[in-house]
Amino acid sequence: DAGVIQSPRHEVTEMGQEVTLRCKPISGHDYLFWYRQTMMRGLELLIYFNNNVPIDDSGMPEDRFSAKMPNASFSTLKIQPSEPRDSAVYFCASSFGPGGGGELFFGEGSRLTVL
Amino acid sequence: AQSVAQPEDQVNVAEGNPLTVKCTYSVSGNPYLFWYVQYPNRGLQFLLKYITGDNLVKGSYGFEAEFNKSQTSFHLKKPSALVSDSALYFCAVRGYSGGGADGLTFGKGTHLIIQP
Repeated sequence: DAGVIQSPRHEVTEMGQEVTLRCKPISGHDYLFWYRQTMMRGLELLIYFNNNVPIDDSGMPEDRFSAKMPNASFSTLKIQPSEPRDSAVYFCASSFGPGGGGELFFGEGSRLTVL
Repeated sequence: AQSVAQPEDQVNVAEGNPLTVKCTYSVSGNPYLFWYVQYPNRGLQFLLKYITGDNLVKGSYGFEAEFNKSQTSFHLKKPSALVSDSALYFCAVRGYSGGGADGLTFGKGTHLIIQP
């Protein structure tokens, strides 16, 4: 398996623009997670899905952020409108296993810079 | 709410010496505990996990971790450090609250620097 695939790897945009980050989880995994990493706040869980259903989105910073998982092989994280404080590395991860015992497999991340 | 504390921002160890990276956690119910490593400009890589059973867990690259329920700790260890072990290490906890697994909560990370 190719692992978790994220795109784009790098995105530079201007404040106010819409940003869409994409993730393809490992086939057969039933959990999908979106994390954000910054120097100041470390790794923050934004939202996670189980069997394509959002389970906990309490980490989503505000209404400008939204995430979808239309099927088992694809998820998006959208920021509209983007702001400079959204600059971070966004990671997608997937795992398998009832009860949460399965380890997370991370993608390489999408580095977002908002000017 | 679940949480993880990594009290050291940085740990310096001479090559060949044993290393320990500390982690304590707080979670409702039985914890699932994990260690991950991150190299520059890369995603996190799984090292090892504790779910149940033996308190000493062995993982990748010669690393091991000891689960201590009374101290709510899960310290990462290696008997002999290599320069290539230098990286950012994250401890993480995941609770299981009835209806399903919670999201994985990470500590702030510890920079491990192995000096030749």
